[in-house]
Amino acid sequence: GESVGLHLPTLSVQEGDNSIINCAYSNSASDYFIWYKQESGKGPQFIIDIRSNMDKRQGQRVTVLLNKTVKHLSLQIAATQPGDSAVYFCAVTDYGGSQGNLIFGKGTKLSVKP
Amino acid sequence: EPEVTQTPSHQVTQMGQEVILRCVPISNHLYFYWYRQILGQKVEFLVSFYNNEISEKSEIFDDQFSVERPDGSNFTLKIRSTKLEDSAMYFCASKRDGATNEKLFFGSGTQLSVL
Repeated sequence: GESVGLHLPTLSVQEGDNSIINCAYSNSASDYFIWYKQESGKGPQFIIDIRSNMDKRQGQRVTVLLNKTVKHLSLQIAATQPGDSAVYFCAVTDYGGSQGNLIFGKGTKLSVKP
Repeated sequence: EPEVTQTPSHQVTQMGQEVILRCVPISNHLYFYWYRQILGQKVEFLVSFYNNEISEKSEIFDDQFSVERPDGSNFTLKIRSTKLEDSAMYFCASKRDGATNEKLFFGSGTQLSVL
């Protein structure tokens, strides 16, 4: 089955710097990838997604990169702000699968130092 | 932005007791989910629900678990006889339609503690 892992459980960055959070997945058939942000006491919140027919997708201050060759996914946050402090999860699913039930990674805790 | 609402935020129960976790999905959503997160671990899929029946369930979702949509707004998760290892944060989620890339909205969770 699919397994999703994260390369680093914690990441500390200075305010204003760029952050990069990484994720690896195991199933080459995975075709839809999502990044979620979870703040303390809240549920996961959608940040950005990407389909397997793309390598890169940009949002507001966030970019997701997908490398299907090595089954690696990353989230880049530009000009990191204190409000970005949270746990970040990647999640994957099979596009042709059963209505998008997600397999989550373990999460990276991002701490932003002012 | 519309929200998925979960109650209670915290639930403490004795081992062997039944608990019901409640959720109000977003009003025009048709697909409903329960996930759980044991402290320090991954968020795990439990069950998906559509058209008043279970669409898919994980190995975690055994006979002790059941889900119900008792009316047009609520979606509940029942654990019949709780075990210590059921202690976790339980998240309800919903989405508008069944497309895989349709955004999934999560509630803030119910923290279940089984003593």
